[in-house]
Amino acid sequence: GENVEQHPSTLSVQEGDSAVIKCTYSDSASNYFPWYKQELGKRPQLIIDIRSNVGEKKDQRIAVTLNKTAKHFSLHITETQPEDSAVYFCAASRAGGGNKLTFGTGTQLKVEL
Amino acid sequence: DSGVTQTPKHLITATGQRVTLRCSPRSGDLSVYWYQQSLDQGLQFLIQYYNGEERAKGNILERFSAQQFPDLHSELNLSSLELGDSALYFCASSAQGASNQPQHFGDGTRLSIL
Repeated sequence: GENVEQHPSTLSVQEGDSAVIKCTYSDSASNYFPWYKQELGKRPQLIIDIRSNVGEKKDQRIAVTLNKTAKHFSLHITETQPEDSAVYFCAASRAGGGNKLTFGTGTQLKVEL
Repeated sequence: DSGVTQTPKHLITATGQRVTLRCSPRSGDLSVYWYQQSLDQGLQFLIQYYNGEERAKGNILERFSAQQFPDLHSELNLSSLELGDSALYFCASSAQGASNQPQHFGDGTRLSIL
């Protein structure tokens, strides 16, 4: 089955700096890659997603890049703010057989003042 | 607010018992998903329903079962509960059941087994 690896497990940045979180996936049939932000005790919140026919997608301070050949995708957050502090999860879903999401293990992002 | 409603928010019960978790999807969404989140296992997919039919299955235990009703709400039944079943159980929904559909999560049910 699909396996998604996520790095780093913790990331500490200064306010205003950029943060990058990387994920790799194993199933070449995966075609959908969402990113979720989860604050302590809250639900995972979809912040951005990318489909396999696109190499990059941007939404204000957040961007995601996808390299299908290398089977990895990354989340980029620019101009980080304290409210960006949370756990971020990457996920992958393969074509066919429903829409099961396989999640990475999460990255605890801390934005320090 | 994601529009996905889960009840109850908290559930405390004992080993060997049975519980039912309920989920109402966002208006217009036909597909419902159940995920389990625990400290040691992370976020794990359990099962997906689309318009009343099972669409995909993860590593869901035989003690667990689910269904989606004609009004599209879903229930997850957990029986013969064990201490290790303590976790956050999330429901998510999407418009359709195919891959590449954004899934929106509810606030979850926190299950504690004593």
